[in-house]
Amino acid sequence: DAGVIQSPRHEVTEMGQEVTLRCKPISGHNSLFWYRQTMMRGLELLIYFNNNVPIDDSGMPEDRFSAKMPNASFSTLKIQPSEPRDSAVYFCASTDGASGSLSYNEQFFGPGTRLTVL
Amino acid sequence: ILNVEQSPQSLHVQEGDSTNFTCSFPSSNFYALHWYRWETAKSPEALFVMTLNGDEKKKGRISATLNTKEGYSYLYIKGSQPEDSATYLCAFNGANNLFFGTGTRLTVIP
Repeated sequence: DAGVIQSPRHEVTEMGQEVTLRCKPISGHNSLFWYRQTMMRGLELLIYFNNNVPIDDSGMPEDRFSAKMPNASFSTLKIQPSEPRDSAVYFCASTDGASGSLSYNEQFFGPGTRLTVL
Repeated sequence: ILNVEQSPQSLHVQEGDSTNFTCSFPSSNFYALHWYRWETAKSPEALFVMTLNGDEKKKGRISATLNTKEGYSYLYIKGSQPEDSATYLCAFNGANNLFFGTGTRLTVIP
């Protein structure tokens, strides 16, 4: 298995632009997580999906952030409009999980997308 | 936001030394405690998921214990090797939330 795949690996954009980050979870995993890593706040859970349904998005910082999971093999995290303070590494992770709750099985992380907003 | 604390923040040990560090977390609404190993420029890699009070888990030279009543977990590394150099993260897993500590950065000096 190729593991969790994220694209792009690096993104540099200007303030105000729309940014879309992509994730392909491990085949057969039914839970997907989006994280943000910053120096100030460490690793933060933004949102997670179970069977393609968003379960908890309380970690999403603002309305500028949105995430979708149209099918079991693809998810996006979108920032519109982007701001310099959104600069961070964004990780996607997947695991097997029970329906409707946050699985406590081990998560497999993708390589991350390093976002720089100028 | 729940308080998950790890100590020490950083640690330097000589190759061959054994070491341990601590993760403290709230003792209420506990579902699981995760330990991850995170090498620089890579992604976090799961080490252990622990759910029961008194759990002890082991993977090679690395082991962990869990006390849910008092809200702490210890991670032990026996006979540290340079390849053990990494940041070790713990995460508190509640029913519908997951909060990470800031990690302990371990450097093993050859």
